[in-house]
Amino acid sequence: QLQLQESGPGLVKPSETLSLTCTVSGGSISSSSYFWGWIRQPPGKGLEWIGNIHYRGSTEYNVSLKSRVTMSVDTSKNQFSLKLSSVTAADTAMYYCARRPFGAASAPGAFDIWGQGTMVTVSS
Amino acid sequence: EIVLTQSPATLSLSPGERATLSCRASQSVSTYLAWYQQKPGQAPRLLIYDASNRATGIPARFSGSGSGTDFTLTISSLEPEDFAVYYCQQRSSWPPEVTFGPGTKVDIK
Repeated sequence: QLQLQESGPGLVKPSETLSLTCTVSGGSISSSSYFWGWIRQPPGKGLEWIGNIHYRGSTEYNVSLKSRVTMSVDTSKNQFSLKLSSVTAADTAMYYCARRPFGAASAPGAFDIWGQGTMVTVSS
Repeated sequence: EIVLTQSPATLSLSPGERATLSCRASQSVSTYLAWYQQKPGQAPRLLIYDASNRATGIPARFSGSGSGTDFTLTISSLEPEDFAVYYCQQRSSWPPEVTFGPGTKVDIK
């Protein structure tokens, strides 16, 4: 079955760029019926949507993070990535990647498959 | 931005009891609302999408209802594994936006 796995540095210095990759296995990222998204969760707090990307490259970003977020997709590696620039301690969180169907796919608009998450700490 | 409010913040119940969780949107989201369950140290799990549709593999004791601004997640009879935090989530097409509620913790009384 489809699985997602986040990877990237667990520690990032303030003002630097956080870079994470999500590898999709057991299925293709190149499906027209899905967005691929990033969601984060600060320790002990709730969930915050960061953004989505489609395999054709179209993106949707959280307005509050838009100026610092870049997402990309590499269909040859079945991966998509997140870059968050100028990080501060407020960006310390568990970062999840997830699949979001749309249109006629089952569970449109919801995140139906999630990675296990990767903890990123922003500290000098 | 559409804001989701969940109530209560904490619900203390015993196994076998019925749980009723509420999610209210600051403006209509039609039926574009999902519910998730999250246990400590785990990723969220999709329970309900489009307000009332159970996701694949979700037991029938979980049900969702509502439309517009008021939504409810009901767990008909709590099992020990149901004690967790529950989040609602909406999506809007324009502007494209996804927001989550702050969560309701269901703990053992």
